[in-house]
This record gives sequence, structure tokens and C-alpha cells, in this order.
Amino acid sequence: KNQVEQSPQSLIILEGKNCTLQCNYTVSPFSNLRWYKQDTGRGPVSLTIMTFSENTKSNGRYTATLDADTKQSSLHITASQLSDSASYICVVSARLTGGGNKLTFGTGTQLKVEL
Amino acid sequence: DSGVTQTPKHLITATGQRVTLRCSPRSGDLSVYWYQQSLDQGLQFLIQYYNGEERAKGNILERFSAQQFPDLHSELNLSSLELGDSALYFCASSVEAGVSETQYFGPGTRLLVL
Repeated sequence: KNQVEQSPQSLIILEGKNCTLQCNYTVSPFSNLRWYKQDTGRGPVSLTIMTFSENTKSNGRYTATLDADTKQSSLHITASQLSDSASYICVVSARLTGGGNKLTFGTGTQLKVEL
Repeated sequence: DSGVTQTPKHLITATGQRVTLRCSPRSGDLSVYWYQQSLDQGLQFLIQYYNGEERAKGNILERFSAQQFPDLHSELNLSSLELGDSALYFCASSVEAGVSETQYFGPGTRLLVL
């Protein structure tokens, strides 16, 4: 069964600190892995997308890594800001027979940045 | 603003009723996806349409149906509503249906079934 597990479930850090969020998946056949940021009550916003051949991708203060062998990904946030407070969702895409893809979403890590 | 619009923003209805949620994708996007997000749960993929045709199906109940019209807007129909159907329903769109396409999410429709 395709699954995406994220840890920790929630995290509180002080402004300016760094943090790393983890994502483990069993989705097959793997197509790509995405990290989304979702503010409460709003739609997710894409941060990064990585395919099988990519093992790191940055978007400003966000850096995602992918180890396709161990089926693990991480999202590192540098110099956190109050506006980083949100849910961070790991999404893994599997190729569907006949074309198209199916996304499996993790339940997210709830990050709170405090003063 | 992602460019994806969803209406209505909020919807309150009773069990057993039927509702229709509407989504307009970004200009030029051919693919539309529907997701359900229940309280404290992750996003669940429901269904995808590409240029008017169903492309992929996820955990969509038989009581739910969707379609994409020639102008590319999409509607999600939820019938025989149950309390457990209360959730945020998101629509997302992408240019194509390829595996690396970025999906742009709408603001969601919050459905409350009483």
C-alpha cells in the first residue's frame, strides 16, 4: 500500500533557528516528491518538486533532499521566520498504468515559529 | 493568489442533501484535481480530469461524482451527504497531466454537514 509518513507531527521552534522535517514513503513506482506549505484554512502552495534523479533542491530558505534508495526526504528550513508557521506536507507521486499519476499525501508536520 | 477559483467559499447543509462545488482552473491549465481534507487529516486525492476526460481516480466515494466542462471548469457533486463528509474540498489545476507538473491549489470550499 502506498504510504507517506512524516515526522515530527508538530514542532515549535524559536524565530531565527533552523529545523528539518522528515518524510518516509513506500509509494511505487516512484515518480516525484513534492513539499507543500499550507497555511491554516488555505490551499497548499508548492515549495519544491524532485524527480528520481534529483537529490537536492532549494527554494529560498527551503532546501529539500531526496534519497530514492532509502525512500526518504527531508525539508530543511533555514533562519526561520514567524511566517513559516504552517503545515508542511510531503506528497509522493506514483505513475499510473496507462498514464497519469496518483499523489499520496502525508498528514503533514505542523510547524510553529515563536519569538 | 494561485489563479484557481472555487465557489462557494463556505457551505452548510443537512445530511441526505446534495451539493455542487465549482472550480475554475488557472487560465491555460487543462488538468483539474479534486481533494478532500478532513479535520486533522491529510489531503485525500479524489479525482483528476484532463481536458474534459477523467484521468485518474483516488479515494472517491460512489456518492461523489465530478466532471470537467468544455470551458475547463469542473464541478464536484456530493450526494446523500453524511456528517463525515464535512471537510475542506480543494481543487487544483496544472497545465498538463504530466508527472512533474506543479499543481496550483484553490482556496477551498469548506463544507459543513449538520
